[in-house]
Amino acid sequence: ELKVEQNPLFLSMQEGKNYTIYCNYSTTSDRLYWYRQDPGKSLESLFVLLSNGAVKQEGRLMASLDTKARLSTLHITAAVHDLSATYFCAVDRFAGGTSYGKLTFGQGTILTVHP
Amino acid sequence: DVKVTQSSRYLVKRTGEKVFLECVQDMDHENMFWYRQDPGLGLRLIYFSYDVKMKEKGDIPEGYSVSREKKERFSLILESASTNQTSMYLCASMTGSSGNTIYFGEGSWLTVV
Repeated sequence: ELKVEQNPLFLSMQEGKNYTIYCNYSTTSDRLYWYRQDPGKSLESLFVLLSNGAVKQEGRLMASLDTKARLSTLHITAAVHDLSATYFCAVDRFAGGTSYGKLTFGQGTILTVHP
Repeated sequence: DVKVTQSSRYLVKRTGEKVFLECVQDMDHENMFWYRQDPGLGLRLIYFSYDVKMKEKGDIPEGYSVSREKKERFSLILESASTNQTSMYLCASMTGSSGNTIYFGEGSWLTVV
């Protein structure tokens, strides 16, 4: 059974600081997703990581994937208040055929950025 | 602009009622999903469908059923709602071939009293 664990679950940061959210998963997978969720809202897709060593960056966020270590990281650079949200990683349980999209999610990391 | 629409955003139902949650996508996607989100548990897959009239159980199918009569529409059915089904329900879709982006709807907040 695939398990996905994020840490930390709660992260309080000062504006301007850097930090990393970690996502560990228990079985092999070739797809990992990062999502952002604002309170009361749906999920916003941030990154899709498709191969070992994949690195993607958008603004102050950078995500990477190490499939051998079964680890993905979401690095936040020079945090700003607008980044306050809940961040989820999710691993695809793809097992052949057309069954992409069956995701196992981490518990989520609640990020609060303070002035 | 891609769209996954969940027609009911907020519902309050009584225990034992039959509840329908509807989801429509306009992207001609083969794969559609229903997830449930609860605090501290993340999202969990209830059911998924990879074609019309095809369905597969996810991790927590008990107490739920689904219907996919048309490609664009995927319905989640609670046959007899219970208070432990109070949750936020998210529908998602993606193309079944080479796509890698999963599109989520806005969510349906269901309260069972």
